[in-house]
Amino acid sequence: RKEVEQDPGPFNVPEGATVAFNCTYSNSASQSFFWYRQDCRKEPKLLMSVYSSGNEDGRFTAQLNRASQYISLLIRDSKLSDSATYLCVVVDRGSTLGRLYFGRGTQLTVWP
Amino acid sequence: DTGVSQNPRHKITKRGQNVTFRCDPISEHNRLYWYRQTLGQGPEFLTYFQNEAQLEKSRLLSDRFSAERPKGSFSTLEIQRTEQGDSAMYLCASRESGGETQYFGPGTRLLVL
Repeated sequence: RKEVEQDPGPFNVPEGATVAFNCTYSNSASQSFFWYRQDCRKEPKLLMSVYSSGNEDGRFTAQLNRASQYISLLIRDSKLSDSATYLCVVVDRGSTLGRLYFGRGTQLTVWP
Repeated sequence: DTGVSQNPRHKITKRGQNVTFRCDPISEHNRLYWYRQTLGQGPEFLTYFQNEAQLEKSRLLSDRFSAERPKGSFSTLEIQRTEQGDSAMYLCASRESGGETQYFGPGTRLLVL
């Protein structure tokens, strides 16, 4: 079983739509959680960290449910520029090394 | 540009040849990571350096792979006797001690014919 499971999509939505991505992680000892964004043929870039209390950054809202080992990302009022692959990422608790475990990514296309 | 840099950006080689990639991390970042990403998958961890010490290696890193960071600054990843299955994007990331965020370089895209 993979450390992080994501629905690969693709999600195709019109501009202005609200879209939600989910992922689950297998290691209950996971400590830190992130969403990264990756544009086609580019490197991953940090989108936002994810906390149990939930966090919001403009149109983006991330939630963590530790009991269910479930992470979500909500994008409101989608823009064309949101088209990308969204990677769910976890880091193990107590890992001084900080290695990242990535999901396979969820592909989003926003159309006009 | 003060971000992570990687060279070359693209490499095409024939099966059986050796290749070497270079990563220059962000200055003062003492943690350096190598990841590999194949089509349709997320990046997978290969190895980790803290300063010049290689502290962890993934099982993905076969005997044909070797990584170094001799002076605790730039790092190299060498693949010997390349195989078609080595074709992938090789990503380098760095982070500062105590920091949470890993910053990725643009990657080296390898194609083994």
